[in-house]
Amino acid sequence: EAGVVQSPRYKIIEKKQPVAFWCNPISGHNTLYWYRQNLGQGPELLIRYENEEAVDDSQLPKDRFSAERLKGVDSTLKIQPAELGDSAVYLCASSGEMMHQETQYFGPGTRLLVL
Amino acid sequence: GENVEQHPSTLSVQEGDSAVIKCTYSDSASNYFPWYKQELGKGPQLIIDIRSNVGEKKDQRIAVTLNKTAKHFSLHITETQPEDSAVYFCAASGWEGKSTFGDGTTLTVKP
Repeated sequence: EAGVVQSPRYKIIEKKQPVAFWCNPISGHNTLYWYRQNLGQGPELLIRYENEEAVDDSQLPKDRFSAERLKGVDSTLKIQPAELGDSAVYLCASSGEMMHQETQYFGPGTRLLVL
Repeated sequence: GENVEQHPSTLSVQEGDSAVIKCTYSDSASNYFPWYKQELGKGPQLIIDIRSNVGEKKDQRIAVTLNKTAKHFSLHITETQPEDSAVYFCAASGWEGKSTFGDGTTLTVKP
């Protein structure tokens, strides 16, 4: 079974440019998470979806970040405009297995460098 | 909100020795405690987890213990191998499904 798929794997942009990340969760997983991981730190939740509904976006910087999960499957996270401090790894995870609803499975991440 | 502290931040052991990583959490409502291994350039991978109704869980060379009263849990790796070298993260989550992660422990196993 395929795991969580993310693209692109790497992205280098100049500040003030827009950028978008895409995530395809494990088939059948209803819950999707976007995390940001700064160097030397653990992942920090940006937004959590239950199906197509964002149930926790309290940590999402809404002035420049946006996310969507149309049809409750794939998701896109966007930054516009990007700032130098946005350089980080953006991780997508999904969960929702029958017997282990809370177990999260992570994708490989998108490494963003803002110059 | 939940606060998770993890230590040590770095740990170096000889191959074959044991390694122990400890985490404390602040929210007594947290009831699920996973441990992840993250290798360079990859996303975190779940290696073991424990729920609040269990005090200990073991899977081959890996074990996790949970002390709910003291609000701490630990990862134990026995007979370490060079391929165990990675960054390990603990996390705590509650009924609402939100996970808070520690800042990671870089484990180095010397051959």
